[in-house]
Amino acid sequence: AQSVTQPDIHITVSEGASLELRCNYSYGATPYLFWYVQSPGQGLQLLLKYFSGDTLVQGIKGFEAEFKRSQSSFNLRKPSVHWSDAAEYFCAVVGGAQKLVFGQGTRLTINP
Amino acid sequence: NAGVTQTPKFRILKIGQSMTLQCTQDMNHNYMYWYRQDPGMGLKLIYYSVGAGITDKGEVPNGYNVSRSTTEDFPLRLELAAPSQTSVYFCASSTPGYPSNQPQHFGDGTRLSIL
Repeated sequence: AQSVTQPDIHITVSEGASLELRCNYSYGATPYLFWYVQSPGQGLQLLLKYFSGDTLVQGIKGFEAEFKRSQSSFNLRKPSVHWSDAAEYFCAVVGGAQKLVFGQGTRLTINP
Repeated sequence: NAGVTQTPKFRILKIGQSMTLQCTQDMNHNYMYWYRQDPGMGLKLIYYSVGAGITDKGEVPNGYNVSRSTTEDFPLRLELAAPSQTSVYFCASSTPGYPSNQPQHFGDGTRLSIL
C-alpha cells in the first residue's frame, strides 16, 4: 500500500537559517506528490505539488521541493526561514483509488 | 473571497447525540472532501464527492454520512456520536481533472469533542 513517511516529528531552527523537511514515499508508479502547511487553528494550505517534468518544484512563500526518484524522496526546502513559517507541514502522495495519503506531519518551531 | 467555510468551529457532544457539520464553498468546485485529523496523525479521508448527487466512501467512513444536493454544500452527519469521533474535521474542495483534483482549498476546521 502507498505510504508517506516524515521522519522528523518536530524540528527547531533559528530565524534566518535554512530549512529542509524530509519526506519519503512508497509507491510503485510515478508518484504525484504534495506539500501542505497548516498554521495553528487553521486548515491546510497547498504549498506546492509535483506531477512530472522538472524535479525541482517552486511553491508559494519561498518554498521549493526536489523529487528524487532514486531515493523515493520529496524534501521541502527554504533558504531562510521567517518566524511566520512556524507551522505543521504535511507531505502527501496520491495513492490507490486516486486519493491522497498523508504523512504524519512535521512541526516546525522557529527560534528568534 | 470566502473559499471553504465550515461551521461550527467548536462543538461538544454527548455520546449518542447527532449533529451535522456544515461545509460550503463559493468557488464552484466540483470535488469536495471531508477529512478527520487526530493528534500526531495525518489526515484521513472520510467521504468525498465529485459533484452534486454523487458521493463515495473514503478510508474511514464508518459512523458518518454525507449528502451533496448542491455544488456549494457538502454536510457531514454524525448519527450516534462516539468518543472515537473526537477529532478535528476538515472540509476541502478542488477542481476536476486527475491528478489536479486533489484538495486545493481547506476550511479552518471543526473541533469536535464527544464526552
